Amino acid sequence: DAGVIQSPRHEVTEMGQEVTLRCKPISGHNSLFWYRQTMMRGLELLIYFNNNVPIDDSGMPEDRFSAKMPNASFSTLKIQPSEPRDSAVYFCASSLGTGAEAFFGQGTRLTVV
Amino acid sequence: DQQVKQNSPSLSVQEGRISILNCDYTNSMFDYFLWYKKYPAEGPTFLISISSIKDKNEDGRFTVFLNKSAKHLSLHIVPSQPGDSAVYFCAASNQFYFGTGTSLTVIP
Repeated sequence: DAGVIQSPRHEVTEMGQEVTLRCKPISGHNSLFWYRQTMMRGLELLIYFNNNVPIDDSGMPEDRFSAKMPNASFSTLKIQPSEPRDSAVYFCASSLGTGAEAFFGQGTRLTVV
Repeated sequence: DQQVKQNSPSLSVQEGRISILNCDYTNSMFDYFLWYKKYPAEGPTFLISISSIKDKNEDGRFTVFLNKSAKHLSLHIVPSQPGDSAVYFCAASNQFYFGTGTSLTVIP
C-alpha cells in the first residue's frame, strides 16, 4: 500500500477563499483522523471518523471548518472562508481501529495570505 | 487546555549517550500512550507504545517508562544516533491528544 495520501502538498490561497484538503486513507483502515500542527499547540485533533461516520468533531475550531468522508477511501477537510490564522500544516492519518497506531500522510502546508 | 504536555521544546545529546524525552498528562483516565517521530516535511511515524497496565515497554534502543501516579511518561533512546535527530511527539488516549513535541538533536 502507498500509505496515507494527502493532496495538495502545498496550498497558498488568499484570505476569504475556499480551501479543500484531500485524504486517501490506507485500504482496510476504518478510523481516519484530521490534525492541525502549529508551533504553539503541536498536533491538534480536529475530527475523527470511524467507519466513515464522524465521531468527534469537538476539535474543529469553528464553523468555517467542515469535514466529510463520503466513502472508506476518501475524506475532505474544507475551510470556507479561509483566514491567515488558518495557516498551518494539516495532517490526515488512518488506523485499524482507534486503539491501533495511526499512519500519517505527509501533510498539506496551507498558507493563507 | 493541553492535556498532554512536553515541556522541553528541544534537547541536544552526544552520539552514543542516552536521550531522555519527557511527557506529562493531566487525565488519569488515559490508558494508552504512544510516541511518534517526525522528520521535516514528513508525517509523524509510530515509534513505540505503552498500555497503562504496564510501567515499561522496550523495543531495541527505545524504552518507554510510565509512572501513573505522577502522570508522567518518558522515552529513553540508548545509544543515541545522529539518525535519531527528529521531533518526538507523545500522544495519549488513542491519538486523540498530542503534545507539542521535543526536537532532538544528536551530535556526532
